[in-house]
Amino acid sequence: KAGVTQTPRYLIKTRGQQVTLSCSPISGHRSVSWYQQTPGQGLQFLFEYFSETQRNKGNFPGRFSGRQFSNSRSEMNVSTLELGDSALYLCASSLLTGEETQYFGPGTRLLVL
Amino acid sequence: GIQVEQSPPDLILQEGANSTLRCNFSDSVNNLQWFHQNPWGQLINLFYIPSGTKQNGRLSATTVATERYSLLYISSSQTTDSGVYFCACFLNTGNQFYFGTGTSLTVIP
Repeated sequence: KAGVTQTPRYLIKTRGQQVTLSCSPISGHRSVSWYQQTPGQGLQFLFEYFSETQRNKGNFPGRFSGRQFSNSRSEMNVSTLELGDSALYLCASSLLTGEETQYFGPGTRLLVL
Repeated sequence: GIQVEQSPPDLILQEGANSTLRCNFSDSVNNLQWFHQNPWGQLINLFYIPSGTKQNGRLSATTVATERYSLLYISSSQTTDSGVYFCACFLNTGNQFYFGTGTSLTVIP
């Protein structure tokens, strides 16, 4: 089975721009979660999607949003980028719920200049 | 939210040495996982271990849920074991995984 894939792998943006990241879960997995990793804050939960519905959300501003499609692929969007949004964005998939074993993709490294 | 603390924060080992990494958590958990993050940022599943003991080759893990801690044992360490090890906990009453701050392991030849 193919693992979790994320695109793009690297991205450079400037302040004020917006960005969309994509995640394709393991085939058959229906839950997709997103995390932000920074040196200062560590790994933090952004949100979880299941069956095209956001099920849980972490403590991030409304500039961070996401969605899930009927094939379980997910996208996250960050609008009005700030320097502090520079991070590694990780996507994880699990079979049914965010509580189960999570399998992570390789991540997208975002640099905001 | 839950507090997840890992120790030690940094560890340097000679190749072939053994080590124990610890994860303490502040609340009851439904799920606990150990991950290894390689130098490229990829998080690799090591164990799904909400309780009990599991072994996989040179690695083993034990979670004592009633005392709210988990241990990861690495035996006969190799340079490829280098990286950051994270534990992540999912609360009984929670809705997300909480990650610890990690243990950075360096294995030198």
